Amino acid sequence: AQKITQTQPGMFVQEKEAVTLDCTYDTSDQSYGLFWYKQPSSGEMIFLIYQGSYDEQNATEGRYSLNFQKARKSANLVISASQLGDSAMYFCAMREGGGYSGGGADGLTFGKGTHLIIQP
Amino acid sequence: KAGVTQTPRYLIKTRGQQVTLSCSPISGHRSVSWYQQTPGQGLQFLFEYFSETQRNKGNFPGRFSGRQFSNSRSEMNVSTLELGDSALYLCASSLGTGVDTQYFGPGTRLTVL
Repeated sequence: AQKITQTQPGMFVQEKEAVTLDCTYDTSDQSYGLFWYKQPSSGEMIFLIYQGSYDEQNATEGRYSLNFQKARKSANLVISASQLGDSAMYFCAMREGGGYSGGGADGLTFGKGTHLIIQP
Repeated sequence: KAGVTQTPRYLIKTRGQQVTLSCSPISGHRSVSWYQQTPGQGLQFLFEYFSETQRNKGNFPGRFSGRQFSNSRSEMNVSTLELGDSALYLCASSLGTGVDTQYFGPGTRLTVL
């Protein structure tokens, strides 16, 4: 079973509109983290936002917010007021483990990504 | 603070050769992880090094290896290259404690002919 599922291979959105990118995950660990990364055509992976499994509040970073629904195992990314520069691939990812021991967690498991195109 | 740097940015090799990629983490970061990105398989975790020791490993053959130096810089080596090794290789660094955020470098694009 896939650990990270992104069901939207591609999306077209009008500039200045809000956009929601879907992500569901599967884990039996209690301690995990959910991440969103943006990858422009240049290839570099840019960190956007993080949500820890024990965080009760949804994470926000500027125009980015993460809609975390733990019971549903979903971690959707919301981009408010989209801009032309937001056009890119967006990846949802998860790290499992780590706990409170201070040891490291597992490597990131990525979804297949959503190709977002912002239209003027 | 300077970001994660990777060298070289582009490489062209032929089948059977070996290649070494280098990664310098963000200052103060002790963990370096490597990922392979291909159109067919997507992004896959190769391995993680922390304090010069391999701490985690993905599901890749032994041709893929790495090491980390005392200054946290890391190298990744691929021996006996195959056509399927053509990919974007991304390095990421983090503090190395718990479920911390990994910050990525620009990647090395390897083409195997």
